[in-house]
Amino acid sequence: AQKVTQAQTEISVVEKEDVTLDCVYETRDTTYYLFWYKQPPSGELVFLIRRNSFDEQNEISGRYSWNFQKSTSSFNFTITASQVVDSAVYFCALSELEYGNKLVFGAGTILRVKS
Amino acid sequence: EAQVTQNPRYLITVTGKKLTVTCSQNMNHEYMSWYRQDPGLGLRQIYYSMNVEVTDKGDVPEGYKVSRKEKRNFPLILESPSPNQTSLYFCASSGEYTEAFFGQGTRLTVV
Repeated sequence: AQKVTQAQTEISVVEKEDVTLDCVYETRDTTYYLFWYKQPPSGELVFLIRRNSFDEQNEISGRYSWNFQKSTSSFNFTITASQVVDSAVYFCALSELEYGNKLVFGAGTILRVKS
Repeated sequence: EAQVTQNPRYLITVTGKKLTVTCSQNMNHEYMSWYRQDPGLGLRQIYYSMNVEVTDKGDVPEGYKVSRKEKRNFPLILESPSPNQTSLYFCASSGEYTEAFFGQGTRLTVV
């Protein structure tokens, strides 16, 4: 069965610190997609990134960067120079196309950025 | 604007009183799902649909029903709600190779 593990339940940092959120996944599929979603205090789910299993290039978007390593089944997310507005719950997820594009989510990491 | 619309956003109900949470998408997506979010568990799929009149159980389907009579709508029905169904619910839609778009969530409390 597919599984996503986010071992960090909660992380607290001070503004401007860099922070990395870990994500480890398990799957027997050779083709899959990985995602990160942000859930701010208002509760909605905000899509951040999608990565397919054949593309191991790291990606950078502003202060956000993602490190995908198939060899270790990890898809880690780094926020550089964190800001208070980054405070949220972050979810890593793995998709299963077979089951209606089902997303298998990790338990989430609560990020608190203090000023 | 591409969106998934859920209603209501908040609902408090009593045990056993049937309720429906509506979900509608305007992106012509084939895939729609319902998830529930509980602390420490992330989001878990309740039911999904791969097209009109095609629905199937997800990981936690007990106590729920769905229907997909039209492509855009995918209501979640709780025939006899119980307190263990108190949760935050999300509807999602996606194309075959797109990310999932989520509704704003429905916070349900069953007393």
